Amino acid sequence: AQRVTQPEKLLSVFKGAPVELKCNYSYSGSPELFWYVQYSRQRLQLLLRHISRESIKGFTADLNKGETSFHLKKPFAQEEDSAMYYCALSEDAGGTSYGKLTFGQGTILTVHP
Amino acid sequence: DGGITQSPKYLFRKEGQNVTLSCEQNLNHDAMYWYRQDPGQGLRLIYYSQIVNDFQKGDIAEGYSVSREKKESFPLTVTSAQKNPTAFYLCASSIEGTPGETQYFGPGTRLLVL
Repeated sequence: AQRVTQPEKLLSVFKGAPVELKCNYSYSGSPELFWYVQYSRQRLQLLLRHISRESIKGFTADLNKGETSFHLKKPFAQEEDSAMYYCALSEDAGGTSYGKLTFGQGTILTVHP
Repeated sequence: DGGITQSPKYLFRKEGQNVTLSCEQNLNHDAMYWYRQDPGQGLRLIYYSQIVNDFQKGDIAEGYSVSREKKESFPLTVTSAQKNPTAFYLCASSIEGTPGETQYFGPGTRLLVL
């Protein structure tokens, strides 16, 4: 069974500092990986997915299959980045999970002024 | 905001009572999902449906039931068999329900036990 682990429940940084939210996964195949974000008083929404290989709001994430990690990074954090971040995994196209997502426990990021 | 609505925003349940949470979408998505969000545990899948009149149990289906009679609606019933129902419930949808698809979430319903 797949599993997603986010080791940090809370992460605090100052504005302008680099930030890295950690995500490790266990899955025997080739997973699809996502980062979802929930800002205060807003609904959960997709931030980025590894197959897109794009930068959203300055965030990037690289899939490292050797280390089974998908850490989220931003070189200069902003106060508006404060939110709950979830790493999530979906089986690859040959799976039978019907698009089921397995979520990590979430990391609350606080960016101080 | 994605065209997914959930009601009510807050719901109170008495002991032994069944309650139903509503989820509606106008995105013409085939697949719909119900998750439970608890502090420190992330989101856990309760049920999912890839097509009308079909649904599958997720990781924590015990004490819950669903129906999918219409494409746009996927109500969740929390039965009296669910011993710890206090949580935040999120409904989501995706285009086809295939692996790797983006899921779109509703605003959630917070269920509290009196």
